[in-house]
Amino acid sequence: QKEVEQNSGPLSVPEGAIASLNCTYSDRGSQSFFWYRQYSGKSPELIMFIYSNGDKEDGRFTAQLNKASQYVSLLIRDSQPSDSATYLCAVPSNDYKLSFGAGTTVTVRA
Amino acid sequence: ETGVTQSPTHLIKTRGQQVTLRCSSQSGHNTVSWYQQALGQGPQFIFQYYREEENGRGNFPPRFSGLQFPNYSSELNVNALELDDSALYLCASSSGGLLWDYTFGSGTRLTVV
Repeated sequence: QKEVEQNSGPLSVPEGAIASLNCTYSDRGSQSFFWYRQYSGKSPELIMFIYSNGDKEDGRFTAQLNKASQYVSLLIRDSQPSDSATYLCAVPSNDYKLSFGAGTTVTVRA
Repeated sequence: ETGVTQSPTHLIKTRGQQVTLRCSSQSGHNTVSWYQQALGQGPQFIFQYYREEENGRGNFPPRFSGLQFPNYSSELNVNALELDDSALYLCASSSGGLLWDYTFGSGTRLTVV
């Protein structure tokens, strides 16, 4: 079993809709979780991190964490064409490295 | 604009050759981590350097090696290149290895032919 798994894409949503991305992880002891956005040919940039069960909102982005079920999700509300990118879920494997999922590519249709 | 710079941006090498990739860390950051990202995959951890010493290593063979210099810049060296080494190589600097503090460089695209 992979350490971090993301729902397979690509995900296509119309402009203004909600994009929902899911990620599951295998290490029940994981304490913090990261969502990165990566535009094609660019480096990942951190958009959210969460460490408590429940929801965390930042602008149009909401991260949801359920430690009992070992999943973390990312909602993008009012999706814009500029949100078209690959979204990577990352979980610390120890104190010094992140384990990334394969990513979900989101396309927002104008 | 990212404070982490990587060079070169693109590189083409022949199988069996050796390559050196470079990374300058963001000001105030003393830790550099290197990741390999194959096409369509997430980044995979190669190793991390903290204060010029290797601080952790992923599942990569010894032909992947690195260095960190007193100014906290870093190099990734790959010997005996294989076709599967073709990937985007990313470095990320942070302060003391804090994972939420990662700043990624723009990467080096390596193609092995």
